Order: sequence, then C-alpha cells, then structure tokens
Amino acid sequence: GENVEQHPSTLSVQEGDSAVIKCTYSDSASNYFPWYKQELGKRPQLIIDIRSNVGEKKDQRIAVTLNKTAKHFSLHITETQPEDSAVYFCAASLSPRQGGSEKLVFGKGTKLTVNP
Amino acid sequence: DGGITQSPKYLFRKEGQNVTLSCEQNLNHDAMYWYRQDPGQGLRLIYYSQIVNDFQKGDIAEGYSVSREKKESFPLTVTSAQKNPTAFYLCASSIGVGEHEQYFGPGTRLTVT
Repeated sequence: GENVEQHPSTLSVQEGDSAVIKCTYSDSASNYFPWYKQELGKRPQLIIDIRSNVGEKKDQRIAVTLNKTAKHFSLHITETQPEDSAVYFCAASLSPRQGGSEKLVFGKGTKLTVNP
Repeated sequence: DGGITQSPKYLFRKEGQNVTLSCEQNLNHDAMYWYRQDPGQGLRLIYYSQIVNDFQKGDIAEGYSVSREKKESFPLTVTSAQKNPTAFYLCASSIGVGEHEQYFGPGTRLTVT
C-alpha cells in the first residue's frame, strides 16, 4: 500500500521568511495530493491540493509542487505570518478510477512555528 | 465550522468497557471516515464508508467497529479489545471517495484508565 513520509517534523522560521515542507510517496500510481492545516485545538482543514497532471499550483502565499518522477511533493509558504503557525499534514491517494482504494494516506505532520 | 459534529468533546471510560463515539453530518456527503490522531503519528484511518450500509477497514481497524445505517451518521465503537484506546478521534466526511476534500469534525478525546 501507499506510504507517505513527511519532513521535517518541526520547523521554526522568522516572520516574513519562507517555509518548505516536503513529502515523499511510495506508490507511483498515486494521483491526488492534498495538504491540510491543523491549528492548535482545531480540526484539520484543506489548504491546497494538486493532481498528478499538474506540476505546480499556487494560492496567494501558498504553493505546492509535484515531482512525479522522484515521487515527492512540497508545500511552500512565502512571507510567513504568526497565524501560519500550525501542524501541516500532506496526504496521497490513488483514484478509485485507477484501481485505488479511495482512501487518503497521511504523513505524520510538520509543526510549523512562525516567530514574530 | 458547522456541518459535521462529534460528541462528546471529552470522554472518560474504565478499562474493559466499550464506548461509542458519535459523528453526524448534514452536508449530504456519501463518504465518511474515522481517524485516530496520536502525537507524532499523523492521522491514521480506522474505518471508512463510501455509502449507507457499507464500510471498509482502514489501516488500524483492530479493536474498533462501526455502522452506517443512515447517511448522516457514522458511529465508532471502541471495544475492550483495543489495546491502547486513549487517543484523539476525528471523524470526517466528503462528497465521495478519492479526490475530494474531507471535512473534519471537532474531534473527541477519549481517555481510558
């Protein structure tokens, strides 16, 4: 089955700096890669996702890149702000249309701290 | 934050007792999921359901059971067979399985002593 590795487990940056979180996956047929943000004491929420037919996707200060050959994808946050402090989870899944199991496999999370 | 609810927020049980966690959604979603969240372990899938009266085991189903008798409800029972039940449990739902956003509930923190 699919396995997702996420690094680093903790990341501390100064406000205004960029933050990068990286994930690797094992199943080359995986084709959907969402990122979830979980603020302290709150539920996880989707912040951005990418499908395997796209190499990069941006939404304001957040971007995700996908390298299918290397089987890794990354979350980039620019101009970080204290409210970006949270735990970020990457995930991967294989579409049921391609014989997948429909479920998401999550990485173990990265705790991002943005220092004012 | 409305749409998917879990109750109670905190639950305490004695070892050896079964306990049922509630999950309800009014989003008209077909798919529902149960995850367990432990520090440093991410979100691990316990069970999921694509449609009413159907459910599949996730990666850590041992010691848990579920039912899906109604589209809106997906209760999780933590049985006495679960060796380490103390954890934070998250329920989620989505329009369908696969490439769809999952909406999470607020979670239930279960403590078994």
